[in-house]
Amino acid sequence: ETGVTQTPRHLVMGMTNKKSLKCEQHLGHNAMYWYKQSAKKPLELMFVYNFKEQTENNSVPSRFSPECPNSSHLFLHLHTLQPEDSALYLCASSQGSGDEQFFGPGTRLTVL
Amino acid sequence: KQEVTQIPAALSVPEGENLVLNCSFTDSAIYNLQWFRQDPGKGLTSLLLIQSSQREQTSGRLNASLDKSSGRSTLYIAASQPGDSATYLCAVPRPSGGYQKVTFGTGTKLQVIP
Repeated sequence: ETGVTQTPRHLVMGMTNKKSLKCEQHLGHNAMYWYKQSAKKPLELMFVYNFKEQTENNSVPSRFSPECPNSSHLFLHLHTLQPEDSALYLCASSQGSGDEQFFGPGTRLTVL
Repeated sequence: KQEVTQIPAALSVPEGENLVLNCSFTDSAIYNLQWFRQDPGKGLTSLLLIQSSQREQTSGRLNASLDKSSGRSTLYIAASQPGDSATYLCAVPRPSGGYQKVTFGTGTKLQVIP
């Protein structure tokens, strides 16, 4: 166990659904990240939060909406997704931005 | 823009062999370099982190080196075992707007054959 948990582990949703991914870290870290991992593509950084403030939005479409209510929790709200958004979504945390990252197990998302 | 390349993309070796995985990056202004392994369909497990001021780090059968000037890092695995089969990724944070922007490599898929 890395100290980073993600729920749900698997999610199937239609293009008109609204769902949320949750990440929680028990490491006392100050930075949290969302990554997208598609087949045969490098891991793509989506969002970075430092001390609950968003410091990076890597040109992510607005159908993905992050929320960081405190330094231990990170959400990714999903709405009107496309089939090409199907991927493994990984959450990570680190003490500070750029420090050693610890990853959660990921949420496997399928958009029908 | 930082680009991180890993060669080879895939590697298959017999059990017991020593092997080297490579990671190259284009911008040497890095904060550190981290090596991960990823098992199929799962999250990433941190293996080693080398600070920009260090030249190598060791953990058990793993040894990672860093040469910032040439933009290269290697991960050496000694006496490989079937349990080492996984995809290995390197990640490079570099300063960006007061924070660190992390770029991941494309990964090397390793298969160790019993």
